[in-house]
Amino acid sequence: DADVTQTPRNRITKTGKRIMLECSQTKGHDRMYWYRQDPGLGLRLIYYSFDVKDINKGEISDGYSVSRQAQAKFSLSLESAIPNQTALYFCATSVTGNEQFFGPGTRLTVL
Amino acid sequence: AQSVTQLGSHVSVSEGALVLLRCNYSSSVPPYLFWYVQYPNQGLQLLLKYTSAATLVKGINGFEAEFKKSETSFHLTKPSAHMSDAAEYFCAVSVQNQGGKLIFGQGTELSVKP
Repeated sequence: DADVTQTPRNRITKTGKRIMLECSQTKGHDRMYWYRQDPGLGLRLIYYSFDVKDINKGEISDGYSVSRQAQAKFSLSLESAIPNQTALYFCATSVTGNEQFFGPGTRLTVL
Repeated sequence: AQSVTQLGSHVSVSEGALVLLRCNYSSSVPPYLFWYVQYPNQGLQLLLKYTSAATLVKGINGFEAEFKKSETSFHLTKPSAHMSDAAEYFCAVSVQNQGGKLIFGQGTELSVKP
């Protein structure tokens, strides 16, 4: 079984809908991250969490929120999805932040 | 502020030829540097990392990278390309006093021609 899993793997939704992307890990890492990937822009950090009570904004947090339900679970929500949030979303985990382990990604399309 | 620049969004080589993917970084403190690979429809996988030990770093699948402080570079090389190397490659920098956040370059797509 994969160490970092993301659900769903693909999602198509409409403008204005609330969407939740989920990430679970079995690596026992405290640090978890959410990134989005856009062609030509690489990966950009949305939110990160060092433990259940420590959540921080990344460089592009506007329009997103997160919840760290447990050490193993970190969810990303789009409260009211818009088309420019169409992207590939990745969750990652780490012990120190230096070496990060990535999930398989969620491809989100907002129509 | 830290940043990473990858020169060339697309690189094409012939099978058996040298692979060279360029990465330059900007950091006011000694950086940790990484190369990740993304195969189609998959997440990112760590190829190699520089964490202030040896400047020549060897990774998986025959790749290596050399940290050159004077040139602020961390270029990725492989002596002989294989068809299975076709993927997107990302260079990233992590700065310790920012909680280990990774800053990624724009990515370079490597194509390998038979």
